[in-house]
Amino acid sequence: SQKIEQNSEALNIQEGKTATLTCNYTNYSPAYLQWYRQDPGRGPVFLLLIRENEKEKRKERLKVTFDTTLKQSLFHITASQPADSATYLCARDSNYQLIWGAGTKLIIKP
Amino acid sequence: DVKVTQSSRYLVKRTGEKVFLECVQDMDHENMFWYRQDPGLGLRLIYFSYDVKMKEKGDIPEGYSVSREKKERFSLILESASTNQTSMYLCASTVAGGDNEQFFGPGTRLTVL
Repeated sequence: SQKIEQNSEALNIQEGKTATLTCNYTNYSPAYLQWYRQDPGRGPVFLLLIRENEKEKRKERLKVTFDTTLKQSLFHITASQPADSATYLCARDSNYQLIWGAGTKLIIKP
Repeated sequence: DVKVTQSSRYLVKRTGEKVFLECVQDMDHENMFWYRQDPGLGLRLIYFSYDVKMKEKGDIPEGYSVSREKKERFSLILESASTNQTSMYLCASTVAGGDNEQFFGPGTRLTVL
């Protein structure tokens, strides 16, 4: 079955540095991967989508890559700020649904 | 400002009670979803609906049912609540035929005692 794996350990990053989160998928390559941000006690909020034929996509301080050889997507936040602290979820398409990773908690320390 | 709203942020119920969770979206989306979220497990799909009165089982439908009588409203029903249904419940909606970018409600934290 298809799975999405994200690092379950929290990631601690110093303010101003680049934070990099990893999303690994199993089986065949998805048509796209999506990244969401979730704050405590809130629903996820969509950030970025990257398609299978795209190597990289950017939005302001966010950058997402898609490597079909490694079966992996990397999510980067440059010039990180304490306000970027949240849990980040990765999801892949599966027919008309999404399959979700458990998320990685990111903590940006001042 | 587009919105998905859920009827309660926090809910405490007793074992065996019938529980209704409501979700309303104002974006005229065709597709609506109910998930539960538990620590370390990620979002798990309970049911989804792609049209009024249409529903499909997700990965964990046991113990739940749904109702979609109007396009904007999708209800989740726990017929007889059990302690293992204590969880965060999230509703989402998305437009049909798109990239499945999902818009979520704020969630309902349900505790079953």
